Amino acid sequence: TQLLEQSPQFLSIQEGENLTVYCNSSSVFSSLQWYRQEPGEGPVLLVTVVTGGEVKKLKRLTFQFGDARKDSSLHITAAQPGDTGLYLCAGARIQGAQKLVFGQGTRLTINP
Amino acid sequence: GAGVSQSPSNKVTEKGKDVELRCDPISGHTALYWYRQSLGQGLEFLIYFQGNSAPDKSGLPSDRFSAERTGGSVSTLTIQRTQQEDSAVYLCASSLIVGRGATGELFFGEGSRLTVL
Repeated sequence: TQLLEQSPQFLSIQEGENLTVYCNSSSVFSSLQWYRQEPGEGPVLLVTVVTGGEVKKLKRLTFQFGDARKDSSLHITAAQPGDTGLYLCAGARIQGAQKLVFGQGTRLTINP
Repeated sequence: GAGVSQSPSNKVTEKGKDVELRCDPISGHTALYWYRQSLGQGLEFLIYFQGNSAPDKSGLPSDRFSAERTGGSVSTLTIQRTQQEDSAVYLCASSLIVGRGATGELFFGEGSRLTVL
C-alpha cells in the first residue's frame, strides 16, 4: 500500500507549457517535502511545506500544502527542458519525525 | 567530504553471494538513512540511524538485510545470500536533527547500483 500517491506517474509536454503534479494521501502529514532527481544522482530537496494551506514559490515552481495536510501539489509555469527529471514528494507523519515516506514519483519530460 | 559518498557505485554479483554497501555521510550529520529505489521509481525506506543506534529498522525486507553504523559516521548495509529481487539502487542520505517540530533536509549520495545475476 502506497502511503503517498503521486499523479501522473509520467508526463511529457512541450517547452513553454504549464503543468501540475499531485501528491495525495488519506493520512495527515506534519510536513511534506518535494525532491527532484536526475539520472544517476540522488534526489535534491526543492522545498519543505509545514503549514496547512501554505504556498511557496521558487521561481517558476509553486508548491501548495493542502489545508488538511493530506495532499500537496507542484505547479510549473512555462516549463523548460531543464525541468526534466523525477519529482518525488516525501512526508513526515509525526511532528519532528526524521523518517520520510516517499511517493512513487512523477517522471517529467519537457521537449524542446 | 563535501557530500554523501557511497561505494561501490556499481556492483554486479551472483545470486547467493553476500554484498556490502558503504555510506560516508556529511560530517556532523547525526541522522543517516538507507532507501532502496527500483527502476527509477519512488524510494522505499529501509532503515534510519540516529547516531549509532537504529530507532527504526522497520523497512528491512528480510533477515538477509542488516546495517550498522560506527563512530556516528560511516554506515554499512549488508545483504546476505543475494536474490535477483534485491537488484536496485541503494541510496544513502544524511541529515541534521534540526530540533522539535521540523524534519530536516535529506542529503543523498549518488547511490550504489546492485545487480544480482
